[in-house]
Amino acid sequence: EPEVTQTPSHQVTQMGQEVILRCVPISNHLYFYWYRQILGQKVEFLVSFYNNEISEKSEIFDDQFSVERPDGSNFTLKIRSTKLEDSAMYFCASSETERGGQYFGPGTRLTVT
Amino acid sequence: GQQLNQSPQSMFIQEGEDVSMNCTSSSIFNTWLWYKQDPGEGPVLLIALYKAGELTSNGRLTAQFGITRKDSFLNISASIPSDVGIYFCAGIGGSNYKLTFGKGTLLTVNP
Repeated sequence: EPEVTQTPSHQVTQMGQEVILRCVPISNHLYFYWYRQILGQKVEFLVSFYNNEISEKSEIFDDQFSVERPDGSNFTLKIRSTKLEDSAMYFCASSETERGGQYFGPGTRLTVT
Repeated sequence: GQQLNQSPQSMFIQEGEDVSMNCTSSSIFNTWLWYKQDPGEGPVLLIALYKAGELTSNGRLTAQFGITRKDSFLNISASIPSDVGIYFCAGIGGSNYKLTFGKGTLLTVNP
């Protein structure tokens, strides 16, 4: 069964450093998303991406965040200058249609020290 | 913004029992999804609902989308130990594609 994959599974970085989180969405899906989940809290939307551009972003997704689909398979989230409060699980998701079921990857645990 | 109120917050049941959890909102959603999340893992899609009043099953799981599009319930029949986890409802509403998540229901099944 097709699935969303994410790398790395765990990333530790120092405050102020740049990180890139990588995702490979399900191959025939056209809509891509990033969410985050702070420990013990609910999943929060960051950004949606369709047709090579951002279709929606949340207040969390400020100028320090960017997304890119560098080729036909990868979808990346970059945080330019990490802050302590960026520590969270980051989930990539994809869907076939704009309001279809979204399938999540296993997540990347980001720890900012 | 849109919010989903999920209840109960936690449940403790015996193996073999049926369980029900629900979500309500003051906003209308076009799509309603139910996910299960195990510790340290990503949410796994259980059931997707697209039409008001829709009743859908996936094995021992049954979910319904309320007629008003503002609520949904998830039932699990004959629970087993591997049903343990956090169950989230999530909705897509308005003109956007993002998922709004509920706070989750923690299910514990005693063997």
